Amino acid sequence: DAGVIQSPRHEVTEMGQEVTLRCKPISGHDYLFWYRQTMMRGLELLIYFNNNVPIDDSGMPEDRFSAKMPNASFSTLKIQPSEPRDSAVYFCASSSRQGRTNEKLFFGSGTQLSVL
Amino acid sequence: DAKTTQPPSMDCAEGRAANLPCNHSTISGNEYVYWYRQIHSQGPQYIIHGLKNNETNEMASLIITEDRKSSTLILPHATLRDTAVYYCIVRVFTGNQFYFGTGTSLTVIP
Repeated sequence: DAGVIQSPRHEVTEMGQEVTLRCKPISGHDYLFWYRQTMMRGLELLIYFNNNVPIDDSGMPEDRFSAKMPNASFSTLKIQPSEPRDSAVYFCASSSRQGRTNEKLFFGSGTQLSVL
Repeated sequence: DAKTTQPPSMDCAEGRAANLPCNHSTISGNEYVYWYRQIHSQGPQYIIHGLKNNETNEMASLIITEDRKSSTLILPHATLRDTAVYYCIVRVFTGNQFYFGTGTSLTVIP
């Protein structure tokens, strides 16, 4: 398996522009998570999905952020309009519960977002 | 989920054992202890987890105290590639969220 795949690897944009981050979870995983990492706040959980349904979006900072999971193999995190304070590394992770005790999160390589 | 406390940084000589402590004094009976690490510019990587008993795998050992209020991750023979930030997390097995704290930045010194 190729693991969790995120794109793009790096994104540089100007303030006010729309940004879309993409994630392909590991095949068969039924949970998908979006995290954001900054030096000041560390790793923050933004939102997670179970079977394509958003379960908890309490970590989404504001209405400028939205996330979708149209099918089991694809999710997007959109920021519109983007602001310089959104600059961070955004990670996508997936996992499979299936009653196992050794549930593990598998992370993608992240998207480094810079908003100028 | 219970809060964890870790030292912000540690050094370890290459080839020696690295012992990373974690305090989780408010842990509940059904909460597991997980360890992840993050090598610079990569996504966090699972290391090990446990509930009550000590655990060992090919990467590390996890020692959990009898009262479960603290644990230690042991890397038996640290290498330069083990330089990373190590996160201790406690979570309920049926819970869905992994909350990462600030972790311990481990530097393995040649």
